[in-house]
Amino acid sequence: EPEVTQTPSHQVTQMGQEVILRCVPISNHLYFYWYRQILGQKVEFLVSFYNNEISEKSEIFDDQFSVERPDGSNFTLKIRSTKLEDSAMYFCAGGQGVGGYTFGSGTRLTVV
Amino acid sequence: EDQVTQSPEALRLQEGESSSLNCSYTVSGLRGLFWYRQDPGKGPEFLFTLYSAGEEKEKERLKATLTKKESFLHITAPKPEDSATYLCAVQDPTQRSGGGADGLTFGKGTHLIIQP
Repeated sequence: EPEVTQTPSHQVTQMGQEVILRCVPISNHLYFYWYRQILGQKVEFLVSFYNNEISEKSEIFDDQFSVERPDGSNFTLKIRSTKLEDSAMYFCAGGQGVGGYTFGSGTRLTVV
Repeated sequence: EDQVTQSPEALRLQEGESSSLNCSYTVSGLRGLFWYRQDPGKGPEFLFTLYSAGEEKEKERLKATLTKKESFLHITAPKPEDSATYLCAVQDPTQRSGGGADGLTFGKGTHLIIQP
């Protein structure tokens, strides 16, 4: 069964550093998403991406965040200057616009 | 105010003891209600999407139902491997700017433990 692949599985970074989280979505998906889950809290929507541009974004997705789909396959989330409160699991997800959305296994980001 | 409220927060059952998990929602333009299973340290795993009141879907020991205000996830004769956190989420385009690729709004989940 096709999977959404996320790398790295765990990243530790110093406060103020830039990080790039990577995702390889399922090839026939059209819609792509990033979510985050702070430890012990609910899954929160960050941003959606469709037709090579941002479609929706939440209030969490401020100027420190950006997304790209540079080569038609990889889908990245960049955090420009990480803060301690950015520590969370980040999930990439994708879908065809109907039915369910497939999530990756996540990247655990730890900011120290 | 939370748009998606799940109850109970945690539930411990004996193997074979059937029960139901509740998800109530307060959105005005429901496009879909989703159930996911999440194991510790993993991403949510898709179970069901429900679109309209009265709809039901089944998969193995799980059955999801939807009314105009809530959804239930019924677990029949559960096994220890059904232990997980079950997440409910809604897709409501009126809560966003209407760009089309609307994100999901999740509840906090029900942590289910099935004891052998």
